[in-house]
Amino acid sequence: GIQVEQSPPDLILQEGANSTLRCNFSDSVNNLQWFHQNPWGQLINLFYIPSGTKQNGRLSATTVATERYSLLYISSSQTTDSGVYFCAVEPDTGGFKTIFGAGTRLFVKA
Amino acid sequence: DSGVTQTPKHLITATGQRVTLRCSPRSGDLSVYWYQQSLDQGLQFLIQYYNGEERAKGNILERFSAQQFPDLHSELNLSSLELGDSALYFCASSPETGNYGYTFGSGTRLTVV
Repeated sequence: GIQVEQSPPDLILQEGANSTLRCNFSDSVNNLQWFHQNPWGQLINLFYIPSGTKQNGRLSATTVATERYSLLYISSSQTTDSGVYFCAVEPDTGGFKTIFGAGTRLFVKA
Repeated sequence: DSGVTQTPKHLITATGQRVTLRCSPRSGDLSVYWYQQSLDQGLQFLIQYYNGEERAKGNILERFSAQQFPDLHSELNLSSLELGDSALYFCASSPETGNYGYTFGSGTRLTVV
């Protein structure tokens, strides 16, 4: 099946710093999503981005489907950005199964 | 509030027992997805329903079953529970299958003792 690899696995930032999280996937996908799981366990959908670039406030994401990767940019990080960031893909082989990567755990220090 | 409602929020039960987790999707969403999140396995896809019918099945054990009712709410039934079934169980919904983002509920934390 499709492999989804996220890097880095862990990241510690000082408040105000910028960061880039990466998601590589091994096969073609129908769609790709980025989620943030906050320290209380809630999963928040950040982007639905099968291709192209989207921005939402301090967050932006770019997916280059032909090269099988996606990037999540966090600018001017805040302590509330802490948590785990997941990339999730649905392979285009059919089956409607969305597979999650292992996540990037981010801690933003005040 | 995401609009996806999961009950109960917490559940503690003994090995060998059976439990039912409930999910009400966001208004207008036809697809419901169930995921299991454990420390060592990450987020694992269990099963998806679309407008009452099973659409996709993932790593769901035979002891587990699910259904989606005509009012679109879904239930996940876990039976013959084992210690290893302790996990967070999430439900998500989307308008249709495929080209839409998911909205997750707050999850049910199941502890099997």
